[in-house]
Amino acid sequence: QKEVEQDPGPLSVPEGAIVSLNCTYSNSAFQYFMWYRQYSRKGPELLMYTYSSGNKEDGRFTAQVDKSSKYISLFIRDSQPSDSATYLCAMSENPQGGKLIFGQGTELSVKP
Amino acid sequence: IAGITQAPTSQILAAGRRMTLRCTQDMRHNAMYWYRQDLGLGLRLIHYSNTAGTTGKGEVPDGYSVSRANTDDFPLTLASAVPSQTSVYFCASSDGSATGYTFGSGTRLTVV
Repeated sequence: QKEVEQDPGPLSVPEGAIVSLNCTYSNSAFQYFMWYRQYSRKGPELLMYTYSSGNKEDGRFTAQVDKSSKYISLFIRDSQPSDSATYLCAMSENPQGGKLIFGQGTELSVKP
Repeated sequence: IAGITQAPTSQILAAGRRMTLRCTQDMRHNAMYWYRQDLGLGLRLIHYSNTAGTTGKGEVPDGYSVSRANTDDFPLTLASAVPSQTSVYFCASSDGSATGYTFGSGTRLTVV
C-alpha cells in the first residue's frame, strides 16, 4: 500500500461546478500538506499548502486537512475550463523540506 | 527567468543504451531531486541530493545513478536502459522549505 492514496479519476465536471479532490495517507509523521497543479506536458506547480490540521482558503480554492482521519481535501468553487489539469497531493514530514511523497494525481476536466 | 532546465525534452532510446538526463538550476538551491511520473503511480522519487557532494536513494533507485559535483547541476544516468524505464522524468530543486520546490518541465523517455 502506498503511503499516500489519491483517486486518479479522470474526473469530468461542467463549468461552474464545485470540485472535491481527496487524498488519504498512512504516515502520522506528515506535517506539511500540499496541492500541486500540473498542466499537460508541464511540471507540477504548487497551488496551496497547509501546515497540520485546518483549513486554508485562496480565492476559489480551499484546502482542508484532518490529521485525525489522515485525510486531506482540495475544493474548487465555480470551476473554470482553465482549471482542467492534473492535481497532485503531496506531503512532507520535514518543515525544512526533504522528500515529498506524492499521491497518484487526479486528472480533472472542466467542460464549458 | 530563474528556474530549472531539463534536457533533452524527449528521447527515444534503444534498450541497453546508456543515457544521461541533464538538469540545471539557477536559483542556488541546495537540495535537488529526480522523480519519475507514470500513469496511475504519480511521482516517485528516484534519487536526491541535499547539498553539493552528497546524494541519496529514493523510492525507486534501481537502474539509475546521480552525481552532484556542484550546486547547479544534477544529472541522472541510466547505465543500461530497459523498457520499464519508459517514463516522464522530472527534476526539482528546493530552497530548504517543504513548500519551496520548483520543478522542471520534464524529459519524456521511451525505451524500445
